[in-house]
Amino acid sequence: KQEVTQIPAALSVPEGENLVLNCSFTDSAIYNLQWFRQDPGKGLTSLLLIQSSQREQTSGRLNASLDKSSGRSTLYIAASQPGDSATYLCAVMTSGTYKYIFGTGTRLKVLA
Amino acid sequence: ETGVTQTPRHLVMGMTNKKSLKCEQHLGHNAMYWYKQSAKKPLELMFVYSLEERVENNSVPSRFSPECPNSSHLFLHLHTLQPEDSALYLCASSQDRWRENEQFFGPGTRLTVL
Repeated sequence: KQEVTQIPAALSVPEGENLVLNCSFTDSAIYNLQWFRQDPGKGLTSLLLIQSSQREQTSGRLNASLDKSSGRSTLYIAASQPGDSATYLCAVMTSGTYKYIFGTGTRLKVLA
Repeated sequence: ETGVTQTPRHLVMGMTNKKSLKCEQHLGHNAMYWYKQSAKKPLELMFVYSLEERVENNSVPSRFSPECPNSSHLFLHLHTLQPEDSALYLCASSQDRWRENEQFFGPGTRLTVL
């Protein structure tokens, strides 16, 4: 059974720092992994989708990497801003299921 | 805006009430999803519809009844709910349910069951 873990659960950093959020999963047989952002009380916004054949995806200040064999993904945020404050979720689609399994998220606060 | 809308945004209901949640997507997608997000727990997939046919029911109690009249609309009918059903209910859509596709989420309905 696929399990997704995100560490740390919460993170507080000063503005301008580069930071890394971690996601690990127990079953490496996946189709893809998706990173989302969720603002308090709101829905999810898709940030990056990495297919199983890809190693990384980039969008602006965000870079997500995928190491399937070790069951890990990282989301790198460069030059963090207060507007980046949100909860970041990773979700894994395990092969043969077509269902996303979500982690519990990392709650990020960027201080001005 | 993601192109997926949900109404109402907030709902308070008693355990004997019947209510419905509505989701509409303006993206031309063929697959739609209902998720439940409870406090301190990961998002849980409830139902998946593909081309208006239910293809996944993730062991959801029968007091939750989904309906997909067309590929743009998805409903979740609620009756005789329990207080532990209080949660944020999120709708999502994707081009189809196959593995390459990115999911787009609505803003959610915050449900409180008294």
